[in-house]
Amino acid sequence: QVQLQESGPGLVKPSQTLSLTCTVSGGSISSGSYYWSWIRQPAGKGLEWIGRIYTSGSTNYNPSLKSRVTISVDTSKNQFSLKLSSVTAADTAVYYCARGGDYGDYEYFQHWGQGTLVTVSS
Amino acid sequence: SSELTQDPAVSVALKQTVRITCQGDSLRSYYASWYQQKPGQAPVLVIYGKDNRPSGIPDRFSGSTSGDTASLTITGAQAEDEADYYCNSRDSSGYHVVFGGGTKLTVL
Repeated sequence: QVQLQESGPGLVKPSQTLSLTCTVSGGSISSGSYYWSWIRQPAGKGLEWIGRIYTSGSTNYNPSLKSRVTISVDTSKNQFSLKLSSVTAADTAVYYCARGGDYGDYEYFQHWGQGTLVTVSS
Repeated sequence: SSELTQDPAVSVALKQTVRITCQGDSLRSYYASWYQQKPGQAPVLVIYGKDNRPSGIPDRFSGSTSGDTASLTITGAQAEDEADYYCNSRDSSGYHVVFGGGTKLTVL
């Protein structure tokens, strides 16, 4: 059973870069036709997709965040990472990592991390 | 604003049937997937593709699509089904993932 676990600082200062890592266990990050995503959720609000990386290294980002987001993968460590630059209080949220599957006319996230709260504050 | 539109809140009497909808142009080309989220927990996939349930999801959950609207139906709602429900699919470009704004389901 694939498991995902987010890690990283819980507090980031405004204008700095938020950095999170997702460690995948129970399977290789390189196997299968999957992609690896970051999704966030401000308190009391809905889910927002941040972006994804395929095992090929190809990425797609939410257009509203694209200028500030970088997602990368380290297959040797079975991890993928998120960097979000120039953060403001609006970036305060629970950040989830998830494994996605793209099946042509549908895609879905079956495996999620537990989520990690990141607060942007001085 | 999301490209997928959901009603903010829906209620259903215990053991009755409820339909939660998700509307968006991209749903004419792509199926929606549905997630259940309870307070303090990560979302859980309940329906994907045309009408598929992951292992462990009760068969009272089902999915359907008509035109630009996808629906999640719970037949015989239980108290434990009270949660937030989110749909997701692709955006109109087909290159990005989008989520609906979520529907809070109350079981009366």
